[in-house]
Amino acid sequence: DAKTTQPPSMDCAEGRAANLPCNHSTISGNEYVYWYRQIHSQGPQYIIHGLKNNETNEMASLIITEDRKSSTLILPHATLRDTAVYYCIVRVDTGNQFYFGTGTSLTVIP
Amino acid sequence: DTGVSQNPRHKITKRGQNVTFRCDPISEHNRLYWYRQTLGQGPEFLTYFQNEAQLEKSRLLSDRFSAERPKGSFSTLEIQRTEQGDSAMYLCASSLGIRAGDEQFFGPGTRLTVL
Repeated sequence: DAKTTQPPSMDCAEGRAANLPCNHSTISGNEYVYWYRQIHSQGPQYIIHGLKNNETNEMASLIITEDRKSSTLILPHATLRDTAVYYCIVRVDTGNQFYFGTGTSLTVIP
Repeated sequence: DTGVSQNPRHKITKRGQNVTFRCDPISEHNRLYWYRQTLGQGPEFLTYFQNEAQLEKSRLLSDRFSAERPKGSFSTLEIQRTEQGDSAMYLCASSLGIRAGDEQFFGPGTRLTVL
């Protein structure tokens, strides 16, 4: 079952950074934090994942607190195409299924 | 396009009929997953294959549901005697399988409507 808590919705102005928070206070030492997003009527799209250290790729940055009980996904320059539902998932590296929860619906406003 | 593909994209059926969906994973991916998503909810895990072996099933996968991956490539998900509660988006995903926690790549889904 979902082990994360996310705000149900957020708005962000186009061109600004979108910071999406996630609480995972019961995370275990061997569990990774994954982020996916789902644009309307499409399948989920992988964004990024990490264990302890902050991670960055061409899509986003993932900031994980030192105690690993929360994290933030950062989209540095949000565009209208970033409007989607964003899911934060914790999963052991040996696990095979994702528990998605209900995610955060991000709306990027022109 | 070398991503995960699913067919059909949409299926409308009458209650009591059988339906079958197909998923073609990314070619070198050993693992294949099925999820179900209802309106306003995130995807829910149904089952998972490692090559042709079905290794895990969710309690959501009732005895009316059956999934196969006969040659370790494409997979089919069949729902027998469909019910209105089966109306949902059925998503397929695949992963390399080099390590258990590698990221999954999702297909566009098959939207099922049971009348």
